[in-house]
Amino acid sequence: AQSVAQPEDQVNVAEGNPLTVKCTYSVSGNPYLFWYVQYPNRGLQFLLKYITGDNLVKGSYGFEAEFNKSQTSFHLKKPSALVSDSALYFCAVRGNTGGFKTIFGAGTRLFVKA
Amino acid sequence: DGGITQSPKYLFRKEGQNVTLSCEQNLNHDAMYWYRQDPGQGLRLIYYSQIVNDFQKGDIAEGYSVSREKKESFPLTVTSAQKNPTAFYLCASRSGQAARGEKLFFGSGTQLSVL
Repeated sequence: AQSVAQPEDQVNVAEGNPLTVKCTYSVSGNPYLFWYVQYPNRGLQFLLKYITGDNLVKGSYGFEAEFNKSQTSFHLKKPSALVSDSALYFCAVRGNTGGFKTIFGAGTRLFVKA
Repeated sequence: DGGITQSPKYLFRKEGQNVTLSCEQNLNHDAMYWYRQDPGQGLRLIYYSQIVNDFQKGDIAEGYSVSREKKESFPLTVTSAQKNPTAFYLCASRSGQAARGEKLFFGSGTQLSVL
């Protein structure tokens, strides 16, 4: 069965510092991995995805994520955080079986302090 | 302006009442999804449809029903059998083929509360 774990409910960083939001996954076969961001009372917006190829994926708003197959992780990173990055971040995985369902983690709230 | 439209933004349900949440997309996407969001639990899949006139149960389908009569529309009915319906409901759609790792597009959500 597919699953996604985001071990931190909240991550606090100071503006200008690097940030990391952690994600680990479990899926049969090759995974398709995604990060989405949600602002209050809104739907989710796509940030980036990993399908195949380079383990470092670059996405929207300066975010990037590193795929690590041996550790089954897909951590979200940004070199310099902005106050406007404060939001709820979701990691998601889609396997190539089970009807191509996308399974989401519980979410990590990022708080960037000025 | 292409996208996914969910309505209403807020909905209140009385005990024993069925309510229907609307989801319309003009993106010409084949696949559509309904997720339920509860605080601290992330998004859980209720139902999904990969083509018109076909849909499958997700992980928490009990107490919900859907239809997919048109490509553009995927309404969700929360029935009286759903005893804990208070949640934020999100509709999503996907282009292309899932095997190519296409992303999901989301609507702005409907907050359902019980009176």
